[in-house]
Amino acid sequence: VQLVQSGAEVKKPGESLRVSCSASGYPFTDYWIAWVRQVPGKGLEWVGTIYPGDSDTRYSPSFQGQVTLSVDTSVTTAYLHWNTVRASDTAIYYCARKSASYTPWGQGTLVTVSS
Amino acid sequence: DIVLTQTPLSLPVTPGEPASISCRSSQSLLDSDDGNTYLDWFLQKPGQSPQLLIYTLSYRAPGVPDRFSGRGSGTDFTLKISRVEPEDVGVYYCMQRMEFPYTFGQGTKLDLK
Repeated sequence: VQLVQSGAEVKKPGESLRVSCSASGYPFTDYWIAWVRQVPGKGLEWVGTIYPGDSDTRYSPSFQGQVTLSVDTSVTTAYLHWNTVRASDTAIYYCARKSASYTPWGQGTLVTVSS
Repeated sequence: DIVLTQTPLSLPVTPGEPASISCRSSQSLLDSDDGNTYLDWFLQKPGQSPQLLIYTLSYRAPGVPDRFSGRGSGTDFTLKISRVEPEDVGVYYCMQRMEFPYTFGQGTKLDLK
């Protein structure tokens, strides 16, 4: 089982952004995938989770309306999307698969938003 | 949202000695329907992604050494390390998945004396 995330991104405020999480080694549609944010040097925050089988999605209220979770089952990949990024979105974003709990985790994607 | 409060936030430990981290929840994490307590523990080693140690209160994840154990009930939980090894250095987080949004404790940084 492996989750491989897309590489680091540098964006300007107001730009759009998509981060990907490519899954392999298991039936992609059978397991929830979660996204977690970590501001550098700070703790972990739950962004939301999506079930690839039917795209059922749950967002943390702090992130509802700010990001969109989606999947493409044809390429066994989950996505975290922003229409408009802000400086406060600067963080490392992790994806993780839910089995008994959340394992494994992707390697993380550093997103830097700066003018 | 359920709030998890960890103590201590910093934990210096001598290798070979035991260590204990507390996590207190603002609500019970016991699911009365299935009897499970949805409290997990993760370790984030320096420069790495978090890794699962303990799930559903007391079950060790595959490959986790038996020096790690989780216990507690309702709203009070403890992660115990029977003998700290150098590779145990990092930040430990508790996480509840009793209800959405799932939430994490602030983290406890364990380092060696």
